[in-house]
Amino acid sequence: KQEVTQIPAALSVPEGENLVLNCSFTDSAIYNLQWFRQDPGKGLTSLLLIQSSQREQTSGRLNASLDKSSGRSTLYIAASQPGDSATYLCAVSGQGGSEKLVFGKGMKLTVNP
Amino acid sequence: DGGITQSPKYLFRKEGQNVTLSCEQNLNHDAMYWYRQDPGQGLRLIYYSQIVNDFQKGDIAEGYSVSREKKESFPLTVTSAQKNPTAFYLCASRPQGNQETQYFGPGTRLLVL
Repeated sequence: KQEVTQIPAALSVPEGENLVLNCSFTDSAIYNLQWFRQDPGKGLTSLLLIQSSQREQTSGRLNASLDKSSGRSTLYIAASQPGDSATYLCAVSGQGGSEKLVFGKGMKLTVNP
Repeated sequence: DGGITQSPKYLFRKEGQNVTLSCEQNLNHDAMYWYRQDPGQGLRLIYYSQIVNDFQKGDIAEGYSVSREKKESFPLTVTSAQKNPTAFYLCASRPQGNQETQYFGPGTRLLVL
């Protein structure tokens, strides 16, 4: 059974730091990996989707990498801002495609001004 | 505006009562999902539907029921058999294609009186 782990569960940093968020998964037979953002009491917003054949994806200050063989992904946030404060969740889909996602528990990020 | 709506935002359930959470989307997406999120936890899949009049159990379907009579709507009923219903419930939808992400609604918080 696929398990997704995000460590640490929470992180507090001063504004301006470059950040690396980690995600690991136990079964490397994934179809894709996604990073989501969740603000308190809200739904999830998709940030980046990396196909299993890709190594990384970039969107603005965000860069996500995927090492399928080692079961790891990282989300890099450049020049963090207070508006980046949120919970970040990693999710993987199995070989069947994106119809079913397995989520990590998330990492709560606080960026202090 | 296209999107996913969930109602109500807060819902209170009495002991032994069934309650229904609404999820509507006007994105013309084929697949729809229901997740449960507990504090400090990731999302767990309750039910999903890939096409009208068809749905499948997720990882924690016991005590829940769904219907998919229309493409736009995927209501979730929390039955009296669900002994620990207090949680944040998220609905999502996804267009066809294995590389498509899921789009989430704003969520419904269910509380037991």
